[in-house]
Order: sequence, then structure tokens, then C-alpha cells
Amino acid sequence: DQQVKQNSPSLSVQEGRISILNCDYTNSMFDYFLWYKKYPAEGPTFLISISSIKDKNEDGRFTVFLNKSAKHLSLHIVPSQPGDSAVYFCAASVNYGGSQGNLIFGKGTKLSVKP
Amino acid sequence: EAQVTQNPRYLITVTGKKLTVTCSQNMNHEYMSWYRQDPGLGLRQIYYSMNVEVTDKGDVPEGYKVSRKEKRNFPLILESPSPNQTSLYFCASSFRPGYEQYFGPGTRLTVT
Repeated sequence: DQQVKQNSPSLSVQEGRISILNCDYTNSMFDYFLWYKKYPAEGPTFLISISSIKDKNEDGRFTVFLNKSAKHLSLHIVPSQPGDSAVYFCAASVNYGGSQGNLIFGKGTKLSVKP
Repeated sequence: EAQVTQNPRYLITVTGKKLTVTCSQNMNHEYMSWYRQDPGLGLRQIYYSMNVEVTDKGDVPEGYKVSRKEKRNFPLILESPSPNQTSLYFCASSFRPGYEQYFGPGTRLTVT
């Protein structure tokens, strides 16, 4: 059973507009969430994360929103740039109470930002 | 420079010929992991290691072996590769398993 779901395999956005990538999860024990970005022929690179005690985390053009009641998080990229074109992976883990779980990844969403 | 290195980057081999993909990190991380990426399936964990001499199965361990004799190295061993192990493989490391992981550049393996 897939615990982390990225239901949109691809997304196309015009340069300068907002990109919104979505991620849903089923395990209510997840308490830490991450987004990774992956270019072709490279390994994934960490982009931004959020703890379950927060509902928003911002880093420059990137903002992650967490809605725990809906078990949903989203990554907003504003403004989108052609260099943002990549595959984005959502990941989650359980770290509460000293337990340290592995990262569980979604299947990824391919973002294309058109000039 | 902090990094995770993998070798080789590309490998074409034949069914049944044992191979090893090396992974090394220079960040003194305790946690290391191997993933495979396949179209439509995302990143799936093969094996992971919490520390030296401590390894455990991930979601798709069949057909793979690992060892962790030193903190910095975590090789992935395919004793008898089969075509269904054709994939893109990533090694990763972190201080703790549930937090930010640093990934290597990937090894593209083709088994014919």
C-alpha cells in the first residue's frame, strides 16, 4: 500500500507563474516531510522540509504547506523558472518518540516550466 | 566537498555475472541506504544501514546483498543479476534515517 502519493505524474507551467505540486499521505504517524528535486543524470537533491508541528515553511521561492487534518502537503514555487524543470519527489518519515523511520518516497511529479 | 560517490556510473552486464556497485560518503554519516528508481515506481529502498555492521532490508531486497564494514562505505552486491534488476540505483547517507539524505549521482545498470 502506497503511504506517500503524488497523483500527478506531470505538471506544465508557464515561466513566471506559480507551480503547485501536491502530495498526500496515509500514515498519520508521519511527522517529518521533505521535498527533493531531481534532474536527469543526477541524484535527488534536498529542497525543503517541514515538521508536523508547523503548517508552513518558506525558503526563497519555495514554500511547503502542510495540512495534517487532510494528510496533504504541497510545494509552491513562485515564480517558476525554466531551471525548475525537474522531477520532484515528496518524502515522509516517522521520528516521534525516538523511533527513527526510513524516508518513504512518492513516485514523483515531473515539472516542466515553459519559457 | 561533502559528497556521496558511486562507481561505476554506468554498467552493462550479462545475466548471472556477479557485480558490485560501490558507495562512499565523506560526511561521517551513520545512516546509509540504497534505492532503485524505475519508471512509474519512484524511489524504492533496497537495503539500509544504521551503522557499521548493522544492515536491514528495505522494501525490495530480493536479489541484493550489502555490507557495512566501514562507516564511509556501503557497497551493493548483485550475486546473480537478472534483467529485472535493470534500473537506476542511488546510494544515500544522512546523520539520521528520517531526515535529509544526501544522494550519490546514480548508477545506471543494464542486465542483458
